[in-house]
Amino acid sequence: AQSVSQHNHHVILSEAASLELGCNYSYGGTVNLFWYVQYPGQHLQLLLKYFSGDPLVKGIKGFEAEFIKSKFSFNLRKPSVQWSDTAEYFCAVRKNTGGFKTIFGAGTRLFVKA
Amino acid sequence: DAMVIQNPRYQVTQFGKPVTLSCSQTLNHNVMYWYQQKSSQAPKLLFHYYDKDFNNEADTPDNFQSRRPNTSFCFLDIRSPGLGDAAMYLCATSSRNSGANVLTFGAGSRLTVL
Repeated sequence: AQSVSQHNHHVILSEAASLELGCNYSYGGTVNLFWYVQYPGQHLQLLLKYFSGDPLVKGIKGFEAEFIKSKFSFNLRKPSVQWSDTAEYFCAVRKNTGGFKTIFGAGTRLFVKA
Repeated sequence: DAMVIQNPRYQVTQFGKPVTLSCSQTLNHNVMYWYQQKSSQAPKLLFHYYDKDFNNEADTPDNFQSRRPNTSFCFLDIRSPGLGDAAMYLCATSSRNSGANVLTFGAGSRLTVL
């Protein structure tokens, strides 16, 4: 069955530290890839997406993610985190076969110390 | 602002007492989804509507039903809630024309079963 794995459930960083959150998926076909973010007290929202072209995609607030097809990975990065990045981050995958099912990872809770 | 609105935000019910959660959208998106999210777990797709076409996930219990009377509204009915149904229920929408099927989420309805 298709699945999405996020490597860390909880991450604690100090401000200005670099961030990398791992995401691997199990589906072997063509996929659309997403990172969603949920800030405290807010709803899930899109951070960035990949569906074709340049495997390095840039999203809002300085985040970027790299799609490595050979590794079935879509890791999220940010060179210097801020306190306001404290949130829960979800990796998600959708098979690009015309269906509507998006599979989510279990999420990574990031806490940034000021 | 166009958005996805869920009501109620918090619902407390008794074991076996039916519950209805509602979702409305002003985005005019033709796809609407219901996800179940339990603590520290990935959001799990229960079902979705593509226009009026209902698509149930194979592992969604029969206890969960849905209605979509028009484009703007979608309801989740839990016929006989059990303790294991306590969760956050997320409504999301997407447009068939968005290509990458980006999901727009509501704030969620947190269900407590006593």
